[in-house]
Amino acid sequence: SYVLTQPPSVSVAPGQTARITCGGNNIGSKSVHWYQQKPGQAPVLVVYDDSDRPSGIPERFSGSNSGNTATLTISRVEAGDEADYYCQVWDSSSDHKVFGGGTKLTVL
Amino acid sequence: QVQLQESGPGLVKPSQTLSLTCTVSGGSISSGSYYWSWIRQPAGKGLEWIGRIYTSGSTNYNPSLKSRVTISVDTSKNQFSLKLSSVTAADTAVYYCARGPYGGNYLGNWGQGTLVTVSS
Repeated sequence: SYVLTQPPSVSVAPGQTARITCGGNNIGSKSVHWYQQKPGQAPVLVVYDDSDRPSGIPERFSGSNSGNTATLTISRVEAGDEADYYCQVWDSSSDHKVFGGGTKLTVL
Repeated sequence: QVQLQESGPGLVKPSQTLSLTCTVSGGSISSGSYYWSWIRQPAGKGLEWIGRIYTSGSTNYNPSLKSRVTISVDTSKNQFSLKLSSVTAADTAVYYCARGPYGGNYLGNWGQGTLVTVSS
């Protein structure tokens, strides 16, 4: 089964740039999607198909994907960005969605 | 704007079958432009995809749960459902229903989630 690896935590000061990685074998050949989940709330899609943003998601959220690592980048981080972030791909070898373990973003 | 709402028993006994329903409003479940998924999240842990169904009835399930899971759709009620058999305490989680676009593998709309506890 395909495995996605995320760092458990990332910390960043307000106004700085946060980068959250998602590692997987040749992940660059897959479409990667990112979700933001705040405490007690359902996940929200923030980036899909590596780098596209759903309507209503600020341009501060961007994504990239190459080789064995996909990255969610949050520019000009705000206190309200503090949340858990999950990456997700489709594992075509067994036809199912796979989520990364999640990264807790802390805004210092 | 489409809305999804999970419903079902909040407490299930071990070895029994967990049954949940997701009611879709603000859009037709039979439009064919989307697929419908279930995801769960144990307290303090990450997301686990359970499976999905297309309006055609075609399904995909998480291999780790496949032997115990059935997802079905009722277009007349604009609902889809989850059944998970032979539950144990390890199945205690918040269960979410969600929608994704046909041809895409992401989930753009989620329900608020419902907590299901497995306990005698």
